[in-house]
Amino acid sequence: DGGITQSPKYLFRKEGQNVTLSCEQNLNHDAMYWYRQDPGQGLRLIYYSQIVNDFQKGDIAEGYSVSREKKESFPLTVTSAQKNPTAFYLCASSMAGPRDTQYFGPGTRLTVL
Amino acid sequence: QKEVEQNSGPLSVPEGAIASLNCTYSDRVSQSFFWYRQYSGKSPELIMSIYSNGDKEDGRFTAQLNKASQYVSLLIRDSQPSDSATYLCAVAGGTSYGKLTFGQGTILTVHP
Repeated sequence: DGGITQSPKYLFRKEGQNVTLSCEQNLNHDAMYWYRQDPGQGLRLIYYSQIVNDFQKGDIAEGYSVSREKKESFPLTVTSAQKNPTAFYLCASSMAGPRDTQYFGPGTRLTVL
Repeated sequence: QKEVEQNSGPLSVPEGAIASLNCTYSDRVSQSFFWYRQYSGKSPELIMSIYSNGDKEDGRFTAQLNKASQYVSLLIRDSQPSDSATYLCAVAGGTSYGKLTFGQGTILTVHP
C-alpha cells in the first residue's frame, strides 16, 4: 500500500524543547517537502529536498532543520529557536520536475504548551 | 503583492449550482498549476492539474488557465454538500523551479 506516512499525528512540546517530526514515503519519489499551515492560511514551504543528501531552504526555514539520508525519509526538527511553532505540519513528495504533482501525508499537529 | 492570490471567501452556493474559484499569480514564467481540496483538519488532496492555456475537464470539475492574464480558475458543476472544503491554488515552475507556491485558500460551503 503506497503512500506517505507522518508521525506522530499530534505532538505537544514544552517551550525550549526540540522535537522531530517523521515523514516516510514508499512511492519511490525523488523530491520531498515540508510545509507549515497556520489557521486560515495557505501552506508555506519550510525545506525541500530533490535528491538524497541535499536539501534547500524554503521561505520560512529559520528555527527548523532537516536531513535526507535515505530516499524514503525526510525528518523535520523543530528547534527551540522557532518562536511560534504551533501549527499543522505537512510533508509532501513528488517525482522531480515542475510538472510533477506533490502528494501530501496526513500531517502532524504540533502544539507548544 | 502576494505571489499567488485567491478570491476572498467564504463562498457559499446552493446545492446543484456552479461554484467558481479564482486564482491569480505573479510569476509570469510559471509552468504548472494545481488545485487541491482540503477538508477541515485533513491534508490537501489533488483535484486538478493544468499546464496549457484553455480548459481541462474531469467529471464535475473544470480548470481554466490563461497565462497571458496570469489567471487560473476552477469550476465545480452540480455542487454537492460534500464539496464543502477549502480549495487551494498552487503554482510551480518558472523562477521557483520544483517549488509550489500556494494561495491562502478559499472556503467553499455548499448548502442543501
